[in-house]
Amino acid sequence: QSVLTQPPSVSGTPGQRVIISCSGSSSNIGVRNVYWYHQLPGTAPKLLLYRNDQRPSGVPDRFSGSKSGTSASLAIDGLRSEDEADYYCATWDTSLSGWVFGGGTKLTVL
Amino acid sequence: EVQLVESGGGLVNPGGSLRLSCAASGLSFSYAWMNWVRQAPGKGLEWVGRIKSQSEGGTVDYSAPVRGRFTISRDDSKNTLFLQTNSLKTDDTAVYYCVTNSNSSPRYLDQWGQGTLVTVSS
Repeated sequence: QSVLTQPPSVSGTPGQRVIISCSGSSSNIGVRNVYWYHQLPGTAPKLLLYRNDQRPSGVPDRFSGSKSGTSASLAIDGLRSEDEADYYCATWDTSLSGWVFGGGTKLTVL
Repeated sequence: EVQLVESGGGLVNPGGSLRLSCAASGLSFSYAWMNWVRQAPGKGLEWVGRIKSQSEGGTVDYSAPVRGRFTISRDDSKNTLFLQTNSLKTDDTAVYYCVTNSNSSPRYLDQWGQGTLVTVSS
């Protein structure tokens, strides 16, 4: 049971927009920034968004993030086949004094 | 470019121990806060713990499932992070990743190594 809640899977067709949600609580998302990581099959996770909506260099602007209250979301515009991956949200939990993750969302491009 | 190379994983019996290492390059290791994150087969990510830089006290924090069994340490002279795992359980079976924190505050999980697999089984 993950501290942050994500849908197990989402899907979309090429060019479509998909949104992945991440729900937390007042001890984590409610008071801390949210980070998103993606993991291609057989590889290590990689930072996708930091501080809710900031893109590291090299991440296309098709990826965007937002946060409101105790929830956050990742939006992917112009879906491409190479976007197929697992996506994880993460933040610091002030009650647990540690990093917590969502259970991960598998994105399938149909 | 930051490179993190984990090693030391393998097959171990329940109750056994393993010492994992993470060799870091391309960063000012002595100033870096370092983490271990694990991923059980087919499962999600789980934070194991973090060690701050010596200049900031070298404080270590652990997640509840590993506290008292795992120990994180560092050797700044060798740019190496360690994870000593004791009293291993089958639930500890996972790929263990070495992860840097960002330099800027608020710090976040930034660069990831390729991971090393620990399998706990009899």
